[in-house]
Amino acid sequence: GAVVSQHPSRVICKSGTSVKIECRSLDFQATTMFWYRQFPKKSLMLMATSNEGSKATYEQGVEKDKFLINHASLTLSTLTVTSAHPEDSSFYICSARVGAGAYEQYFGPGTRLTVT
Amino acid sequence: EDKVVQSPLSLVVHEGDTVTLNCSYEVTNFRSLLWYKQEKKAPTFLFMLTSSGIEKKSGRLSSILDKKELSSILNITATQTGDSAIYLCAVETSGGYQKVTFGIGTKLQVIP
Repeated sequence: GAVVSQHPSRVICKSGTSVKIECRSLDFQATTMFWYRQFPKKSLMLMATSNEGSKATYEQGVEKDKFLINHASLTLSTLTVTSAHPEDSSFYICSARVGAGAYEQYFGPGTRLTVT
Repeated sequence: EDKVVQSPLSLVVHEGDTVTLNCSYEVTNFRSLLWYKQEKKAPTFLFMLTSSGIEKKSGRLSSILDKKELSSILNITATQTGDSAIYLCAVETSGGYQKVTFGIGTKLQVIP
């Protein structure tokens, strides 16, 4: 149980276009989802925390107008990279938590975004 | 389906104790194994292991990979209360597209 999927697994897009990445909890309801960006040296940067039905909380330095997050249901959160630039190329990982009291995070397999 | 299993799920030790956290995996096209420490926000990267039998060390933390046994251990010696955290193991795979599979983590609590 506790599977999180991401779609697409990889995407290549042209500079200036927008890309949507989906994160789904397949067999549980996730009240909270997190979006991370992985850098080349494997460090993970938390971009935002998304709670179902409310606005996402963005970390300092993350542009909310550029990285649009929507947590429309208890099983789906989306990250849209708007007007993508080559520097947005990265590996994006989402994770999901069952409830506020739970500490377990279930991670998705990641999405490799390449902006040309 | 790729799997990463960590044990134990949680652990309570006293300061000064040594702990060993385990991670085993079943994946296709193994590329590397990563250890992270998660306290509040993003997990902090600890180690990346790609070769079997070579220990990586950072202060009181060390880790080693056993590709034959499909497992890795993370050792923490002389534990301190600041080591209290969730330790995550993740395996990266390749072969077509990049993918990472995380374990559920081991919650370590170090009490004075």
